[in-house]
Amino acid sequence: AQKVTQAQTEISVVEKEDVTLDCVYETRDTTYYLFWYKQPPSGELVFLIRRNSFDEQNEISGRYSWNFQKSTSSFNFTITASQVVDSAVYFCALSDNEGAYAGGTSYGKLTFGQGTILTVHP
Amino acid sequence: DVKVTQSSRYLVKRTGEKVFLECVQDMDHENMFWYRQDPGLGLRLIYFSYDVKMKEKGDIPEGYSVSREKKERFSLILESASTNQTSMYLCASFPAGGSYEQYFGPGTRLTVT
Repeated sequence: AQKVTQAQTEISVVEKEDVTLDCVYETRDTTYYLFWYKQPPSGELVFLIRRNSFDEQNEISGRYSWNFQKSTSSFNFTITASQVVDSAVYFCALSDNEGAYAGGTSYGKLTFGQGTILTVHP
Repeated sequence: DVKVTQSSRYLVKRTGEKVFLECVQDMDHENMFWYRQDPGLGLRLIYFSYDVKMKEKGDIPEGYSVSREKKERFSLILESASTNQTSMYLCASFPAGGSYEQYFGPGTRLTVT
């Protein structure tokens, strides 16, 4: 069965520090998607990135970067020069064909990690 | 912008009450999901629906039921609320044929006393 592990329960940093959030996943499928979501104090999950299993190219978006390594089943997220507004809960998630399945079709169920609470202090 | 709304941000109910949580999306999405979020457990899927009147159980359906009478609305029902159903409930949607990026509502924090 699919599984996502975020080993870091809480991380606390001071503003301008770089911080990496770890994500390790398990799946038997060769085709799958990986996601990162941010949940600020308001509660609504905000989509950050999607990566499919055939695209191992790392991605950078402003201060955010993602490192996808199939060899170690990891999809880590780095925030460079962290800011107070980055304080949130961050979730890594996996969607594969073992997920929500009905009538021969997969419906893209997300399996979430436990979440990492990031606190950035001024 | 996709908008997913949930009927209440905070709800307090008594044990044994029947509770309805409503979710509405405005982007004509076929797929809708209900998750619950608990500390240390992440989000877990309760039920999902891929079409009107269609529903499928997720990982933790016990004690819950759902209703999808219209495409834009997906309701989660707690038939007889219990204290172990105190949690944050999140609704999500995404279109058929999409790349599984789900759009989430703001959540309903339910307390059962």
